[in-house]
Amino acid sequence: DAMVIQNPRYQVTQFGKPVTLSCSQTLNHNVMYWYQQKSSQAPKLLFHYYDKDFNNEADTPDNFQSRRPNTSFCFLDIRSPGLGDAAMYLCATSTPFDRGETQYFGPGTRLLVL
Amino acid sequence: SQQGEEDPQALSIQEGENATMNCSYKTSINNLQWYRQNSGRGLVHLILIRSNEREKHSGRLRVTLDTSKKSSSLLITASRAADTASYFCATTASGSARQLTFGSGTQLTVLP
Repeated sequence: DAMVIQNPRYQVTQFGKPVTLSCSQTLNHNVMYWYQQKSSQAPKLLFHYYDKDFNNEADTPDNFQSRRPNTSFCFLDIRSPGLGDAAMYLCATSTPFDRGETQYFGPGTRLLVL
Repeated sequence: SQQGEEDPQALSIQEGENATMNCSYKTSINNLQWYRQNSGRGLVHLILIRSNEREKHSGRLRVTLDTSKKSSSLLITASRAADTASYFCATTASGSARQLTFGSGTQLTVLP
């Protein structure tokens, strides 16, 4: 089945130690998104790629970077995680032919910062 | 910043009852969507309603949209214990078709 896959499902890192979360998709969608979701809160968009075109949200901290080497894969790099970065990170995809409407989410990676 | 607010924040009902959740938003929109999130999981798209539509149905779901009041409601009829989840509305703003802005969510608990 076509889907959005996130690995790992749980990630533990140390304060200040760089960490990378990965997302892959078999939907062949042009747009890929990264969201941060803290406990009992709504998902907050960090950035998105439209093909290779990177779009950063204005309030996304510089500590967060992203890479999209090809259509299928997208990575979230947190350069120096702080305790406040502990959250669920959600990857999603969509196709511009739907005018960016329905987004398809992966199961998320829960990040714990020690 | 968050586009919408949802109420109630939490709702607890008995199996078989109907559940109604409301969402308000601030700016002009292209469409409004509802998503469901089971605890610790990703979001699943439920239904989309366009700005020129007033009501839409999908199985046990009924969504209404009132653009004059900038509000929407999601009705789940004949609820089941498996409907227990968080429900989020999300809007696509006019002129920003790729981005969704989520409401604060309603935690629904359906008691068996």
